Amino acid sequence: DIQMTQSPSSLSASVGDRVTITCRASQGISNYLAWFQQKPGKAPKSLIYAASSLQSAVPSKFSGSGSGTDFTLTISSLQPEDFATYYCQQYFSYPPTFGQGTKVEIK
Amino acid sequence: QVQLVESGGGVVQPGRSLRLSCAASGFTFNKYGMHWVRQAPGKGLEWVAVISYDGSNKYYEDSVRGRFTISRDNSKNTLYLQMNSLRAEDTAVYYCAKDRTTVVSYYFDYWGQGSLVTVSS
Repeated sequence: DIQMTQSPSSLSASVGDRVTITCRASQGISNYLAWFQQKPGKAPKSLIYAASSLQSAVPSKFSGSGSGTDFTLTISSLQPEDFATYYCQQYFSYPPTFGQGTKVEIK
Repeated sequence: QVQLVESGGGVVQPGRSLRLSCAASGFTFNKYGMHWVRQAPGKGLEWVAVISYDGSNKYYEDSVRGRFTISRDNSKNTLYLQMNSLRAEDTAVYYCAKDRTTVVSYYFDYWGQGSLVTVSS
């Protein structure tokens, strides 16, 4: 199975900050990479697929980049509703696997 | 809009069975693969199983293969997960999720709200 490793595991940031989360795959996955946001007690929400394509209705403050083994999710200006846990997921090969999550907290 | 509503969770003893359902609306259900993904308390996400749009192909995560069965009824727009021989480590919130494409891609574009399964004596 492909291992997905996110860094950092958690971070503290202020409203208005630019935040970047990194995801690394244990082997090349081309651009078969998705990002999800999950708030406490809620279902995950799809943000980005194909490494950089925004899911419908997701605001443009979210952006993704990368290919191969290294990927990033960037939130351009953090807002109160963005404090959540973010997961990356590869769908290049079976079985699909997720990163361990990055918790974004309020500083 | 796409809606996925799970039901059927609860507390069950080890070794017993439980069936989850997921009612779908807002899209053409019989055109998309569907998945189950679970999340143990305080843990990350784990893919469990997938079924193709017509039910002809099914795949499972190693730890549930032979114990869980995914199925669908396209006439009722409903997805199922039959869970047998349940273990404590199956305790989790189970989410149904829609595949983004008509050919299974393992990318999940919409998720249900989840159904909690607790396996405990």
